Amino acid sequence: AQTVTQSQPEMSVQEAETVTLSCTYDTSENNYYLFWYKQPPSRQMILVIRQEAYKQQNATENRFSVNFQKAAKSFSLKISDSQLGDTAMYFCAFTPNGNDMRFGAGTRLTVKP
Amino acid sequence: DVKVTQSSRYLVKRTGEKVFLECVQDMDHENMFWYRQDPGLGLRLIYFSYDVKMKEKGDIPEGYSVSREKKERFSLILESASTNQTSMYLCASRHGRNQPQHFGDGTRLSIL
Repeated sequence: AQTVTQSQPEMSVQEAETVTLSCTYDTSENNYYLFWYKQPPSRQMILVIRQEAYKQQNATENRFSVNFQKAAKSFSLKISDSQLGDTAMYFCAFTPNGNDMRFGAGTRLTVKP
Repeated sequence: DVKVTQSSRYLVKRTGEKVFLECVQDMDHENMFWYRQDPGLGLRLIYFSYDVKMKEKGDIPEGYSVSREKKERFSLILESASTNQTSMYLCASRHGRNQPQHFGDGTRLSIL
């Protein structure tokens, strides 16, 4: 089964601190893409970061970075210097066969002032 | 920027009604998707389309149908709405395989 597991339904972090959201997935495919999406309250879902499975180097986008462990099928998201605007639902997703996208259940992150 | 527009942010319908949710994208994307989002379940794929007049079932197609007569428009149809279809519905589009999907604002549908 092509599944995505986010084991932390809710998390909180103090402003300016660092937080890591975990994600594991299951697939027998070798080539696929992984994504983290952010959905702010009552707002549109937007892409945070993308990782290609055949690339060993972890992707980075400003304060957002991933720790991709292909053998462990793990794809965690690290948010550095957390800001109030980072408060949102975060979804981990991947495309096991290049076509449809599989999503996790989401992690609700609250950044506290 | 890609713009994916869903026709309604909020919609209230009665059980048994036929309900249409419309989605339009402005970037000539081949692929379009309909998801429903429920707390604790994430996003589940209802239907997707690779091209005009083409459609594929996702994980939860029962009770739904879709229409794609034009490349930019992908419609989700609830043939006979039921209370268990109360949910947030998200439309998305993308250019090709393995590319990120671009989402609309969502339609929060309530079936009474």
